[in-house]
Amino acid sequence: AQSVSQHNHHVILSEAASLELGCNYSYGGTVNLFWYVQYPGQHLQLLLKYFSGDPLVKGIKGFEAEFIKSKFSFNLRKPSVQWSDTAEYFCAVSDNFGNEKLTFGTGTRLTIIP
Amino acid sequence: GAGVSQSPRYKVTKRGQDVALRCDPISGHVSLYWYRQALGQGPEFLTYFNYEAQQDKSGLPNDRFSAERPEGSISTLTIQRTEQRDSAMYRCASSPSRLPYTEAFFGQGTRLTVV
Repeated sequence: AQSVSQHNHHVILSEAASLELGCNYSYGGTVNLFWYVQYPGQHLQLLLKYFSGDPLVKGIKGFEAEFIKSKFSFNLRKPSVQWSDTAEYFCAVSDNFGNEKLTFGTGTRLTIIP
Repeated sequence: GAGVSQSPRYKVTKRGQDVALRCDPISGHVSLYWYRQALGQGPEFLTYFNYEAQQDKSGLPNDRFSAERPEGSISTLTIQRTEQRDSAMYRCASSPSRLPYTEAFFGQGTRLTVV
């Protein structure tokens, strides 16, 4: 079975700081990887996804993530955060065998201080 | 609106009552998913449909939970004889075709509280 670990439960940063949120998964086969974001009072929305090709994936709002297969990791990064990035971030994985379900991590709450 | 619509947004029910949660996906979307999210946790898969066919219900916790999508559009998640442990945010998502080659669009969720 797949599992996803997000070790940072709550991260607090000042505006313009650089961000890296960790995501590790456990699954021996080919995986597809996702980062979702939930802004306060809104629904979950997709930030970026990886399923093949270049392991460095660029998403919306200046976010990017790097898939490192040897480390089973898919960390989310942003060079300079803004107050509007305050949200909860979820890493998710699905396998590549026609199984459409996503397995989510527990989420990281990001608070940006102006 | 053009997004996934869930109703009700909030539901408070007494233990032992049945509840029905509705999901209206984006028009034309083939796949529909139900997730449950407990406080402080990530969404947990319950079940999904392609058109009207329930493809995977392995995440339904027990036989009190059921879901249907009879015409391949609107879906209903029903919980019978609710228990306090059923309290959670129930999220629905839809996608135009199969994951991962497309994106799952989530609704606002239904917050269920069992008292």
